[in-house]
Amino acid sequence: KAGVTQTPRYLIKTRGQQVTLSCSPISGHRSVSWYQQTPGQGLQFLFEYFSETQRNKGNFPGRFSGRQFSNSRSEMNVSTLELGDSALYLCASSLGQVGDYGYTFGSGTRLTVV
Amino acid sequence: AQKVTQAQTEISVVEKEDVTLDCVYETRDTTYYLFWYKQPPSGELVFLIRRNSFDEQNEISGRYSWNFQKSTSSFNFTITASQVVDSAVYFCALSEARSSGSARQLTFGSGTQLTVLP
Repeated sequence: KAGVTQTPRYLIKTRGQQVTLSCSPISGHRSVSWYQQTPGQGLQFLFEYFSETQRNKGNFPGRFSGRQFSNSRSEMNVSTLELGDSALYLCASSLGQVGDYGYTFGSGTRLTVV
Repeated sequence: AQKVTQAQTEISVVEKEDVTLDCVYETRDTTYYLFWYKQPPSGELVFLIRRNSFDEQNEISGRYSWNFQKSTSSFNFTITASQVVDSAVYFCALSEARSSGSARQLTFGSGTQLTVLP
């Protein structure tokens, strides 16, 4: 079966712009989570959506937002980009809570802000 | 608050050597889950193992084995007879079982870069 698909794989944006990243979970998975990975901060949790509702949010500024559609696909948006937003953004899908079911991760979107 | 520590930043071994990656965790919950993921250069996090806090049995899967010790809050990972293809960053992670937000996310360690030389 198809894995978690993230698009695009690479993105270059200018400071001040906004960006939208997309994630298509494994068929049947209703939970989608987003993580940011940077060399300095490591892997940090952004947010989790389940059945179109945000159930949990990490400690990130309001410039980071997301949503989930009825088909479980999710998008995350970063507005007013800063240089420090350059990172690998990873999406993970699950049948439910990560402790019960684990995650399957996508290959990520590498965002570079210049 | 939950925390995962991987003190080894980088490890380099020669092919066929055994190598152990250390993971120490902190949590106030009595029920929690521990994970190991592998991240090759392609970037995708590949699931290796999930273990709940009530199951302290060690596990072996091929060349991989895991040693879970609640008494020392450790969940170490050993690769036997390492191969060049094992070169990657390995992450240990924790999820608490409470019904609140911390149950719906992973807290990752900083990762250990393993390089296996031919």
